[in-house]
Amino acid sequence: QSALTQPASVSGSPGQSITISCTGTSSDIGSYNYVSWYQQHPGRAPKLMIYDASNRPSGVSNRFSGSKSGNTASLTISGLQAEDEADYYCSSYTSSSTYVFGAGTKVTVL
Amino acid sequence: EVQLVESGGGLVQPGGSLRLSCAVSGFAFSSYSMNWVRQAPGKGLEWVSHISTGSNTIYYADSVKGRFTISRDNAKNSLYLQMNSLRADDTAVYYCASRLYGSGNYWGQGTLVTVSS
Repeated sequence: QSALTQPASVSGSPGQSITISCTGTSSDIGSYNYVSWYQQHPGRAPKLMIYDASNRPSGVSNRFSGSKSGNTASLTISGLQAEDEADYYCSSYTSSSTYVFGAGTKVTVL
Repeated sequence: EVQLVESGGGLVQPGGSLRLSCAVSGFAFSSYSMNWVRQAPGKGLEWVSHISTGSNTIYYADSVKGRFTISRDNAKNSLYLQMNSLRADDTAVYYCASRLYGSGNYWGQGTLVTVSS
């Protein structure tokens, strides 16, 4: 199972919006809404930010939103803040009953 | 409060074995499938293994198949990962995680496994 494709880095100024893409195949993202997004700060465990492609867990800022179209999922961060600087990973359930992650995107707040 | 606490990591020589444990509290462990996910130093997340609620269904990543064994004890609210024939590229932080979909997607803080002579 190949990793999902994410951009290595994305940057933006405070207050701006950025979008991170996550491209898979018809065997994972394209077939299931079980796409999750995680935020990870250095030395910390991943934190769930979006589940089932577009749902936000309780306690996660509404500045984070997710969507999916075809084989591609996206995470949008609006009103970018310094605390949003972190690595972001997408994951998807697959037709092999396994899970696959993206390689991660480093978000930099300029 | 949901808690997943991994233990059992450490330094092991190539070819050696290690057993990781994950103690769970704060949610109905027996009703959740569980997973192990790892992260090599400076690298991304890699799914390792999955076990269903009743241990009937188990899956492994190709990279660990035949060497790692996942198990659970619902009476003890615990998840395990037996790791044999360890290699240098198994060096990683190993995370215990609940089902990787839906809102009940919980993670532990991880335990570091270092394979080195």
